[in-house]
Amino acid sequence: EAQVTQNPRYLITVTGKKLTVTCSQNMNHEYMSWYRQDPGLGLRQIYYSMNVEVTDKGDVPEGYKVSRKEKRNFPLILESPSPNQTSLYFCASRNDVNGEQYFGPGTRLTVT
Amino acid sequence: QKEVEQDPGPLSVPEGAIVSLNCTYSNSAFQYFMWYRQYSRKGPELLMYTYSSGNKEDGRFTAQVDKSSKYISLFIRDSQPSDSATYLCAISDMGRRALTFGSGTRLQVQP
Repeated sequence: EAQVTQNPRYLITVTGKKLTVTCSQNMNHEYMSWYRQDPGLGLRQIYYSMNVEVTDKGDVPEGYKVSRKEKRNFPLILESPSPNQTSLYFCASRNDVNGEQYFGPGTRLTVT
Repeated sequence: QKEVEQDPGPLSVPEGAIVSLNCTYSNSAFQYFMWYRQYSRKGPELLMYTYSSGNKEDGRFTAQVDKSSKYISLFIRDSQPSDSATYLCAISDMGRRALTFGSGTRLQVQP
């Protein structure tokens, strides 16, 4: 089954404690991205990657890092989380033929 | 001004009603227009995708794009309680491959 998986699904952490949210896709897509979703603001892109070792900033990259060492994986790293990063995070991968983006199930992060 | 504006709702309609969901956008470089449906505690899933002005129909769903007015719509015919979800419009400049989302409209279809 074609899918995007994320882990963990729920995470509560404290300010400053480094964390990583993993993302994996099994569709051999080149393009992957991370979004955060906040009430009234919709989905905003954090970072994207057009292929292995190629990453770039989206609209709200501050406080986040990503890496793309393998095609299937695109982890999101928060080196020093802060409460304003409390949000719902989605990983997505994109079919480069028809443009359809497939979203993961989401990771709800709370930073206290 | 946001690049994509969408009324957040909530929109409550009786079962069987025709639903109209709308977005406006400001950047004429946008070329690709999508509608996503998001159920509670789930990731968005693609409903409709189009890149030209006019209508595109898929079952009970019709996507309409008016590039001259920078206005896109999603119509749902014979709405069902299972259509209750948040609907997000998304627009893309394919050169960047990023999606710019509206804030989403929450729809509730009452049985």
